[in-house]
Amino acid sequence: KQEVTQIPAALSVPEGENLVLNCSFTDSAIYNLQWFRQDPGKGLTSLLLIQSSQREQTSGRLNASLDKSSGRSTLYIAASQPGDSATYLCAVRPRNNDMRFGAGTRLTVKP
Amino acid sequence: DGGITQSPKYLFRKEGQNVTLSCEQNLNHDAMYWYRQDPGQGLRLIYYSQIVNDFQKGDIAEGYSVSREKKESFPLTVTSAQKNPTAFYLCATGVAGELFFGEGSRLTVL
Repeated sequence: KQEVTQIPAALSVPEGENLVLNCSFTDSAIYNLQWFRQDPGKGLTSLLLIQSSQREQTSGRLNASLDKSSGRSTLYIAASQPGDSATYLCAVRPRNNDMRFGAGTRLTVKP
Repeated sequence: DGGITQSPKYLFRKEGQNVTLSCEQNLNHDAMYWYRQDPGQGLRLIYYSQIVNDFQKGDIAEGYSVSREKKESFPLTVTSAQKNPTAFYLCATGVAGELFFGEGSRLTVL
């Protein structure tokens, strides 16, 4: 069964810092991986989707990479801002199956 | 506006009562999902539907029921058989392997 882990559970950084969030998964046979943002009490907002054949995706200050062989993905946030404060979740879609979610990393960016 | 609408946003229930959470979408997506979110845990799948009049149990379907009579609608009923129903419930749609979420419904059992 696919297990998804996100470390650290919480992270606090000063504004302007570049940072990396980590996601690891146990089974490399995946269809895709998706990164989400969740603000307190809200639903999930899709940030980036990486297909299994891709190595990375970029959107603005966000860059997500995927290394299937090692079962890892990273979300890189450049020049962090207080508005980036949220919980970031990764989810993996095993082949022909539903998404498996990590518990998330709660990010705080201090002004 | 295009999107996924969940209602109500907040709901309080007495023990022994059934409640129904609404999920409506106008994205024309075939697949719809219900997830449960508890503090410190990843989202867990309750039910999903790939097509009208068909749905499948997820990992934690016990104590829940769904219907899919229309493409746009996928309501979730939390029955009295669900022993620990207090949670944040999220509805999602899917297309080409990507998920899109509604704003969620928070259910509290008094």
